Amino acid sequence: TQLLEQSPQFLSIQEGENLTVYCNSSSVFSSLQWYRQEPGEGPVLLVTVVTGGEVKKLKRLTFQFGDARKDSSLHITAAQPGDTGLYLCAGWTNFGNEKLTFGTGTRLTIIP
Amino acid sequence: DADVTQTPRNRITKTGKRIMLECSQTKGHDRMYWYRQDPGLGLRLIYYSFDVKDINKGEISDGYSVSRQAQAKFSLSLESAIPNQTALYFCATSNPQIHYNEQFFGPGTRLTVL
Repeated sequence: TQLLEQSPQFLSIQEGENLTVYCNSSSVFSSLQWYRQEPGEGPVLLVTVVTGGEVKKLKRLTFQFGDARKDSSLHITAAQPGDTGLYLCAGWTNFGNEKLTFGTGTRLTIIP
Repeated sequence: DADVTQTPRNRITKTGKRIMLECSQTKGHDRMYWYRQDPGLGLRLIYYSFDVKDINKGEISDGYSVSRQAQAKFSLSLESAIPNQTALYFCATSNPQIHYNEQFFGPGTRLTVL
């Protein structure tokens, strides 16, 4: 069973601060996705990274895929209350068995 | 209207009861999934289906069964519910041709087994 460990599990910071969330595994993934989930709703895709070392930016959010495709990070600059939510990384393996493995989640709270 | 709907949204039941959770989609996707979410554990895959009548076990299929009789519908059953099946359940759909198999989730069903 592939495991994706996210850290920290909980993070509460003031509006305007920067933060980084980590997603780590001992397994190699063909691609990795980040989802955000708000209370009472299902997760919604933010980004997919595919190539080792790839960096993608989505406004104030920067996503990076590790060179070995075993880990990823999400950096938020100048956090805003609207960034509050549960952030989930998820890795695809396509080695003859396509299944998505989700990380353990990071619950982020931005204090106004 | 939502593309992926789940019914019921909330359910409280007793140990030993049979429960069915329904999922419907209007996205026209062939692939459908059932996940379970527990605090600190993320989402874990229960069953998935790549086409009508195609059924595949996921990570935690014991105690669950599914049915895919139509492209748009995928139901999850708990034959004899037990308290450790208390969780948030999500249905999802995907099309592997779209954005690296992006998962489109329903709003979830909160199940409590007493």
